[in-house]
This record gives sequence, C-alpha cells and structure tokens, in this order.
Amino acid sequence: KNEVEQSPQNLTAQEGEFITINCSYSVGISALHWLQQHPGGGIVSLFMLSSGKKKHGRLIATINIQEKHSSLHITASHPRDSAVYICVASTGNQFYFGTGTSLTVIP
Amino acid sequence: GAVVSQHPSWVICKSGTSVKIECRSLDFQATTMFWYRQFPKQSLMLMATSNEGSKATYEQGVEKDKFLINHASLTLSTLTVTSAHPEDSSFYICSAEGLGRGEQFFGPGTRLTVL
Repeated sequence: KNEVEQSPQNLTAQEGEFITINCSYSVGISALHWLQQHPGGGIVSLFMLSSGKKKHGRLIATINIQEKHSSLHITASHPRDSAVYICVASTGNQFYFGTGTSLTVIP
Repeated sequence: GAVVSQHPSWVICKSGTSVKIECRSLDFQATTMFWYRQFPKQSLMLMATSNEGSKATYEQGVEKDKFLINHASLTLSTLTVTSAHPEDSSFYICSAEGLGRGEQFFGPGTRLTVL
C-alpha cells in the first residue's frame, strides 16, 4: 500500500469548472506539498501546508491533520491549468510521493 | 518566494560521457538539498539527500559512484551522472530546504537524454 494516495488519477474538466484533487496519507507528517508538473516536465511548487488552508490566486489547498487528508482546489479552471498535480508528504526525514493526478481542462 | 534553479534545463549527451547538473537556491541558504529522478509517467523517486559540507546520503539502490553529489556551499549542489548510458535518461529534479525554515522548494528539473 502506498503511503500517499491521490484521487482521481485522471481528470478532464470543461473550462470554468471547479476542480478538486484529493490526497490521503498514512504517515505522520511535518508538511504536505502540492506540486504542479507541466507537460514538458517542469515542476512548480504550489503549496506547503502543515495545517489549515492556503490560497494563491485561483488555487486553494486545505489539510485536515486528524483525517490525514488534503485537497487541492482550482476555481474557474483554465486550459493552462492542464498539468499533473502531485501530492508529497514529508515526515521531516523522508518524502512520500503520490502518483499524481493528470488534469486536462478543455476550452 | 524562494526560488530554486537548475542548470541546464535539458541536456543531450553521448553514451559514456559525464554530465553535471547544478541546483542553486537563489535567495536563501539551503542546509539540505535533495535529488530526485522521474521516469516517464512515474512519480518522483528520491535519489539522495545532501547536506552542505558533508557526504550525501543515498537511497537504497542508487549507486553513489554513478551519481556523484557535491554540496559545496549553502546555495549550490551538483549532481554528476558519470559515464552516462541510455538507461540514465530521465528527468532529474532537486529541492532545497531553507536554513531554519523547514520548507522545501523544488527546482524546475533537468531532462537528460543519453544517446
């Protein structure tokens, strides 16, 4: 069993839709990261969370420490949001990577 | 926010040559840097952890003589793929942990293709 599970694996949405990507983890974490990987491979750090909620533009990330669950939300999705979104759980000594959610936003 | 850069962003080389990839923290000092590789359609895999001024700690199955890591300063770590072969073709990514900040910042990655 993977320490970090993401869902869905693949997601197709119409432009403008509200999108949610979920991440569940089984390890005790010091932080949880959300990464965005574009089709060319480049990686962008979106958020690092240890509690609560963070917002950056149209992106919102939440974490529930008790339930060991985090969500990444995209409001008013746009084709340029098409990418793979990766959840990473950090215990301080180790990193556990989710397998990623491939998002395609159709115009 | 903090920025981590990698150079080069992509490299193509002949089999048997060595390739050096640089990872720099641009506006903060990084006590610890991490190197990952990613095969197509797979998640990132941690290769090694490097602390400034000391030897890198390699994950199980990663050959330390093949992937040489040097963390000579608080802003620079290098990964050298020695005698590269086609099976080393991959996407290599670094991340850096800020001094006393406990935050991770990821570099944009370097795509290595070995012919």
